[in-house]
Amino acid sequence: GIQVEQSPPDLILQEGANSTLRCNFSDSVNNLQWFHQNPWGQLINLFYIPSGTKQNGRLSATTVATERYSLLYISSSQTTDSGVYFCAVVQGGSEKLVFGKGTKLTVNP
Amino acid sequence: DTAVSQTPKYLVTQMGNDKSIKCEQNLGHDTMYWYKQDSKKFLKIMFSYNNKELIINETVPNRFSPKSPDKAHLNLHINSLELGDSAVYFCASSLVSSYNEQFFGPGTRLTVL
Repeated sequence: GIQVEQSPPDLILQEGANSTLRCNFSDSVNNLQWFHQNPWGQLINLFYIPSGTKQNGRLSATTVATERYSLLYISSSQTTDSGVYFCAVVQGGSEKLVFGKGTKLTVNP
Repeated sequence: DTAVSQTPKYLVTQMGNDKSIKCEQNLGHDTMYWYKQDSKKFLKIMFSYNNKELIINETVPNRFSPKSPDKAHLNLHINSLELGDSAVYFCASSLVSSYNEQFFGPGTRLTVL
């Protein structure tokens, strides 16, 4: 099956800093999603981005499908950005959404 | 106006008991899913149903049985609960298939004592 690797596994920032999270995947995909799991456990949809670039406020994402990676950019981070960020993909020909292990982000005031 | 809802939010029970978790979506989606998140936060799919038909059945003990009475509901019944079943269970839905964006419920934290 497809492999999904996220880096870094842990990230600690001061409020106001910018960051880039990376997701590498081992095969072609028909779906790629970024999620934020907040400290209360909710899984929040950030982007549905199997290819291209999208922006939503301070967050943006880029997926380069031909090179099998996606990047999530967080600018001017806030303490409420803390939590775990997951990348998840559906391999071509599969029906399963496969998650990476996540990046745990801590934003300190 | 909750899109994907689950009940209960917390479930604490003894080993050997049978329990059910209910999931409902009001998005008009055709496909629904169950995922398990273990103690290390790893998320893995268990089942998916498309319009009441089983599509994905991962390597899950047969003590776990999904039931879809209609396309807006997907329940998860667990027999003879074991300590290792303790986890957070998430329900999700998507418009047609897993190629579409999936939306997750709030999760059910199951603790088996």
